Amino acid sequence: AAGVIQSPRHLIKEKRETATLKCYPIPRHDTVYWYQQGPGQDPQFLISFYEKMQSDKGSIPDRFSAQQFSDYHSELNMSSLELGDSALYFCASSLGQVSSYEQYFGPGTRLTVT
Amino acid sequence: AQTVTQSQPEMSVQEAETVTLSCTYDTSENNYYLFWYKQPPSRQMILVIRQEAYKQQNATENRFSVNFQKAAKSFSLKISDSQLGDTAMYFCAFWVRRDDKIIFGKGTRLHILP
Repeated sequence: AAGVIQSPRHLIKEKRETATLKCYPIPRHDTVYWYQQGPGQDPQFLISFYEKMQSDKGSIPDRFSAQQFSDYHSELNMSSLELGDSALYFCASSLGQVSSYEQYFGPGTRLTVT
Repeated sequence: AQTVTQSQPEMSVQEAETVTLSCTYDTSENNYYLFWYKQPPSRQMILVIRQEAYKQQNATENRFSVNFQKAAKSFSLKISDSQLGDTAMYFCAFWVRRDDKIIFGKGTRLHILP
């Protein structure tokens, strides 16, 4: 079965650079969530989209922005990167508002800021 | 606010033994789901088991079972006949419809010893 695809899997950036993370949800899934997991930490919710509209926002820095496109894939844009942004970024997808508890996680993008 | 607490940062058991991981949560909601996720060294987030709050029967998935005590807001995971491949970080997690995001506990690092 198709799973959530994230690209790239690994990314190395320098401070103050920009990074773009991409997420391709499971086919027919219309809801996407982004989570950030720092080293030794639990995942923290960043932002979510339902039907291409932002549906909820967590502790996402103003330097980060995200959107969901017409094909339901999502991109997380991160600017002015800081060392503290080094983390594993998960994308998860679900099917609509009916079963949004059933979130399927991608493999994550490991971002390292040097 | 919803919170999830895992009081055991780390545990070790011998292969083939049974181990129980503890989790408590706090919410004023009635419609919610509880999860246990496994995160092996690959850091993939893998759903182990899910429990719907309105179901009294404890969920089971092969060697994995939960003890769901709704009144006590307790949700423990029992792993029977533990295997070396069970070595991982285990996160207790919570989803409530009103927030539509998964909230994770701090995790329990489980080591299965040969």
